[in-house]
Amino acid sequence: EPEVTQTPSHQVTQMGQEVILRCVPISNHLYFYWYRQILGQKVEFLVSFYNNEISEKSEIFDDQFSVERPDGSNFTLKIRSTKLEDSAMYFCASSRGLAGVKFFGPGTRLTVL
Amino acid sequence: RKEVEQDPGPFNVPEGATVAFNCTYSNSASQSFFWYRQDCRKEPKLLMSVYSSGNEDGRFTAQLNRASQYISLLIRDSKLSDSATYLCVVKLNNAGNMLTFGGGTRLMVKP
Repeated sequence: EPEVTQTPSHQVTQMGQEVILRCVPISNHLYFYWYRQILGQKVEFLVSFYNNEISEKSEIFDDQFSVERPDGSNFTLKIRSTKLEDSAMYFCASSRGLAGVKFFGPGTRLTVL
Repeated sequence: RKEVEQDPGPFNVPEGATVAFNCTYSNSASQSFFWYRQDCRKEPKLLMSVYSSGNEDGRFTAQLNRASQYISLLIRDSKLSDSATYLCVVKLNNAGNMLTFGGGTRLMVKP
């Protein structure tokens, strides 16, 4: 069964450093997303991406965040200057169509020290 | 008011029990509804979509009441493997296709 993959599984970084989280969506999917979940809290939407551009973003997704699809398979989330409060689990998801079921990747646990 | 509200639990039930979870949502423009399951420190996984007519998948039954903005999930004959957090999720019919998650209801099924 096809699945969304994410690397790394765990990233530890110092405050102020840049991090790039990587995702490989399911191959025939066209819509890509990033969500995050701070420990003990609910899953929160960050951004959706379609046709090489952002289609929607939340208030959390400020200028420190950016997304990119650098090639035909990868979908990345960059945090330019990490803050302590960026520590969370970051989930990538993809769906085939707008109404399609979203499949989530296993997540990257980001720890900012 | 929270956009999607759930009782956090935990619900502690014996194996074989029937358990029901409820969820309310605040945005009447919500178009699609889902129950996801999340195991500890894992990703959310779709359990089932929720349709206006109600739907059943094996031991799981989901109901939607648009007038009351209320969604339910019923689990019959609980198994130990049903222990997880159940997330109520709604989607607006917008371009971004974003999902709004509830905080989840934790279920612990005991032998």
